[in-house]
Amino acid sequence: EDQVTQSPEALRLQEGESSSLNCSYTVSGLRGLFWYRQDPGKGPEFLFTLYSAGEEKEKERLKATLTKKESFLHITAPKPEDSATYLCAVHPYQLIWGAGTKLIIKP
Amino acid sequence: DAGVTQSPTHLIKTRGQQVTLRCSPKSGHDTVSWYQQALGQGPQFIFQYYEEEERQRGNFPDRFSGHQFPNYSSELNVNALLLGDSALYLCASSTGLAGRQTNTDTQYFGPGTRLTVL
Repeated sequence: EDQVTQSPEALRLQEGESSSLNCSYTVSGLRGLFWYRQDPGKGPEFLFTLYSAGEEKEKERLKATLTKKESFLHITAPKPEDSATYLCAVHPYQLIWGAGTKLIIKP
Repeated sequence: DAGVTQSPTHLIKTRGQQVTLRCSPKSGHDTVSWYQQALGQGPQFIFQYYEEEERQRGNFPDRFSGHQFPNYSSELNVNALLLGDSALYLCASSTGLAGRQTNTDTQYFGPGTRLTVL
């Protein structure tokens, strides 16, 4: 069964404290892995698409990497405005989503 | 350039009623997907429309139906509302299927419609 698991469920960091979020997946034929950011009560905001193992993409303080079984979202020197829920989704034939990691950055 | 828009923003209904939610895709996009997101969970895929036809469907009952118009906008209809239908309903748009069975391009989301069923 196609499945996506994100960990941890929640993560509290001090401003400037770098860390990583994990997205592990089991799918039959990956066509893409997507990272989104979601603020409370709003729609997900697109961050990255990764298509093959070894691929990396960066945007400001965020860097996403992909292996054959998991993806990491690395956050370097985060700021309070990076606080949000980060969702990953995989695309074997339609988007299958993880439950997200709620990230809280304290000033 | 307007992104994906959805209406209404919030909606309150009672059990057994019917509801229609609306979505206008991002400019240049012709594929619309609908998702249901319960509090604290990831979105769940309902269905996807392309060329005014339902192309893919998730594990949702027939009470959930949709439509896509020639201008690519879309509606989601839910009949016989249940308490469990209370959720944030998200619309996402993407570029065309271009002969593929499913759309694998990046999807861009609207702000959602918060549906509360009492």
